[in-house]
Amino acid sequence: QVQLVQSGAEVKKPGASVKVSCKLSGYTLTELPMHWFRQAPGKGLEWMGGLDPENGEKIYAQKLQGRVTMTEDTSTDTAYMELSSLRSEDTAMYYCATPPHYNGRAFDYWGQGTLVAVSS
Amino acid sequence: DIVMTQTPLSLSVTPGQPASISCKSSQSLLHSDGRTYLYWYLQKPGQSPQILMFEVSSRFSGVPARFSGSGSGTDFTLKISRVEAEDVGVYYCMQGVHFPRTFGQGTKLEIK
Repeated sequence: QVQLVQSGAEVKKPGASVKVSCKLSGYTLTELPMHWFRQAPGKGLEWMGGLDPENGEKIYAQKLQGRVTMTEDTSTDTAYMELSSLRSEDTAMYYCATPPHYNGRAFDYWGQGTLVAVSS
Repeated sequence: DIVMTQTPLSLSVTPGQPASISCKSSQSLLHSDGRTYLYWYLQKPGQSPQILMFEVSSRFSGVPARFSGSGSGTDFTLKISRVEAEDVGVYYCMQGVHFPRTFGQGTKLEIK
């Protein structure tokens, strides 16, 4: 059974960075491609980036290019999403999610979410 | 990017009555492998999204049979045959053909 457990809420000042973790259990990170999403308060879902299984490369949303970095620690099956140069518009719930298999395109499994608040 | 457009943006339904949500994509979601990568998610209040339907019309494990999906190409529909109180939340369609993955704006379903 796949389970994703994310780190706790964060409060950051504008210009700072935040690093959110997502611990996978039931599978290993070499078996499932991790993706990240966010949802601003009262808004819809936005895909931030993840692993493209066709080439094994990370792919990021164009609007976040240069500010977002997604990494993995395969020794602990923990994925990380770091967002830098934070702005108030980055205030959102951040989710990790993964398909049920390496080449899957749906996101069957989701973390519980991590609230990141950016405020001076 | 593929733009996903949902209608309506909100629905108020009496329990036991049907509900229908439309999702249109700016490009065909039919992949060269013959599959159509259109998904439906439900986000219940205060919860993470949960998948309901995959590849247009296949119900995810545990999803009640009152949910059905249909469509092809660029036009898709999610139907609930008889709405129940537990169906409240925001419904999203998502395309899985190309990156970036994109979602519809969401349709908020409430119970009358």
